[in-house]
Amino acid sequence: GAVVSQHPSWVICKSGTSVKIECRSLDFQATTMFWYRQFPKQSLMLMATSNEGSKATYEQGVEKDKFLINHASLTLSTLTVTSAHPEDSSFYICSAMTGGTINEKLFFGSGTQLSVL
Amino acid sequence: RKEVEQDPGPFNVPEGATVAFNCTYSNSASQSFFWYRQDCRKEPKLLMSVYSSGNEDGRFTAQLNRASQYISLLIRDSKLSDSATYLCAVTRGGGYNKLIFGAGTRLAVHP
Repeated sequence: GAVVSQHPSWVICKSGTSVKIECRSLDFQATTMFWYRQFPKQSLMLMATSNEGSKATYEQGVEKDKFLINHASLTLSTLTVTSAHPEDSSFYICSAMTGGTINEKLFFGSGTQLSVL
Repeated sequence: RKEVEQDPGPFNVPEGATVAFNCTYSNSASQSFFWYRQDCRKEPKLLMSVYSSGNEDGRFTAQLNRASQYISLLIRDSKLSDSATYLCAVTRGGGYNKLIFGAGTRLAVHP
């Protein structure tokens, strides 16, 4: 099946620094990627929809200036957590869609555990 | 009201038991429905899609009731390896198929 690579898997940073997470579709072109966040024992919460070549669409309550998304190519979307604080510590997962509808053609990255000290 | 709601769990069952998970969704425009399995600190993995006619894959059976906006997952003959968190997921519907997850139900199968 299709592979989505997410990097890094783990990151520990000091409060106030920015962290970039990359999501790559390795063997297909992804016009749309999604970014999720998951706090311990909670569900995956959709943060934003990333569209190649255009601005991301953010879910209600997600600060676009805090979570910068860039989808500059059909195989790469990045999420930058700017000026990270301890409350941003979470598990971030990207997913990429291969076709025009979601169905079974949605593939997830392996996630990034962010810990902000 | 949350878009997707699930039984909170956890479910602790012995091997061989049958266990059922329930899920309700609020958006009547939702078009696609899924069950995912997630192990701790891993990405969710698609277990099965859910159709109105119901569908079965080995020990797993999924049902959809559009009128009640209700989805279910039945696991028969539970194995130790079934221990995980089960997430139902629903597309938001409307113009774009964003996938919205329930909070998940944790299943622990013990010997």
